[in-house]
Order: sequence, then C-alpha cells, then structure tokens
Amino acid sequence: DAGVTQSPTHLIKTRGQQVTLRCSPKSGHDTVSWYQQALGQGPQFIFQYYEEEERQRGNFPDRFSGHQFPNYSSELNVNALLLGDSALYLCASSTGFQETQYFGPGTRLLVL
Amino acid sequence: GQQLNQSPQSMFIQEGEDVSMNCTSSSIFNTWLWYKQDPGEGPVLLIALYKAGELTSNGRLTAQFGITRKDSFLNISASIPSDVGIYFCAGQAQGGSEKLVFGKGTKLTVNP
Repeated sequence: DAGVTQSPTHLIKTRGQQVTLRCSPKSGHDTVSWYQQALGQGPQFIFQYYEEEERQRGNFPDRFSGHQFPNYSSELNVNALLLGDSALYLCASSTGFQETQYFGPGTRLLVL
Repeated sequence: GQQLNQSPQSMFIQEGEDVSMNCTSSSIFNTWLWYKQDPGEGPVLLIALYKAGELTSNGRLTAQFGITRKDSFLNISASIPSDVGIYFCAGQAQGGSEKLVFGKGTKLTVNP
C-alpha cells in the first residue's frame, strides 16, 4: 500500500518564477492538504482540497493556488516566487472527516 | 500563522533516560496529535488523542490530552538512539481532516 508521494523531491527556482508541486494521496484517501514548513518551524497550513474544490484555506496570499484531480491527486502552484517562499512543502492526505492526516516526504523548494 | 507553544525547544539526553515534552494553546482543541520528523522526511504520526483526559500509549511513548483541552504532553521512556528527531505537537479544532495547527517542535538528541 503506497503512502503519500510527492514530486519533485527538490527544486531550485529564481525570484519571480512560478512553480508547480505534485502530490498523490495514500490509497483510499480523498482529501489532500498542503503545508509549508520553513526551516526550524512547524508546518503551516496552506489549503485543503476535497472533491476537486478548495475546502479550507490558511493565511497565505493568492499567489498560492491549487488543484485536485478526479483521481484525488493534487497540485500546488506558487506564482511570482519570493525568497521567503523557500521551504519544505508537505502534502497530507486523509479520508473525509474520519481519519487523521498522513504526510508525504515533502518537496524542498529553494528560491534564489 | 497560528502556532502552539511547545517546550522545550531542544533536549540533550543520555540513552536510557526518560523524556517529557509538552504543548499548550490559548484555544481549545478537540484533537491532539504528536508527530515525529526525521531529516528530509515528512512528519510521521506517533499518537492521536481524541478525548479530554485521555492517556494513550504506543510502545515506549505515552501521551495525554489535557482536561482543559488546551494542552498535551508526550513522554518517551528508556530512550534509544533512534528516538533522535524533531517531535511536533499538533491540534485540530475538529477531528479528521480539519487543518492541523503545529507547535515549533522539540529537537531530541540522544547520546549513546
């Protein structure tokens, strides 16, 4: 049973560029949440997708957007990258309101 | 963004010692969770607590959900070198897929 997978594992971008990160949820899970973890900090909630719609959103600007596909996989898009967007981006999956969230290994984004 | 108050920030202990860390919040949470994160990995769920006053064990780990619903603690007994890592508490206002609010983490170092 595959767990949560994320791609790519590492990414280097320059300021102003755009980036897309991908997540495949654990088998049987239909809800995907994205978190940003800056160095030395705990993860911060970005948003959550369920039934291909954004269900909850944290305190992140509109530069952060996402999408969920019919197979429940998800993308996180960040436009106009800033140096402060450098972080580990984590995807977590769960089933509706019944299960705890399980995390993938993350994508390490470095913005130069 | 919102974060829980987690302490201590770091701990240096000898193998075989017991460890205790705690987490407090100004808000009530109905679910408390404890995760462990190894370098380059996503957080792994250790223990989930769903009821105020609940005491739950997972091997050498024991966690409690405070009766005020504003705090939780995690104990590790007889530490071993593989306990090294960063431990995060997380709270949810509701259960399941509700967004997670994390603490800043406790970095544990175990000297053999």
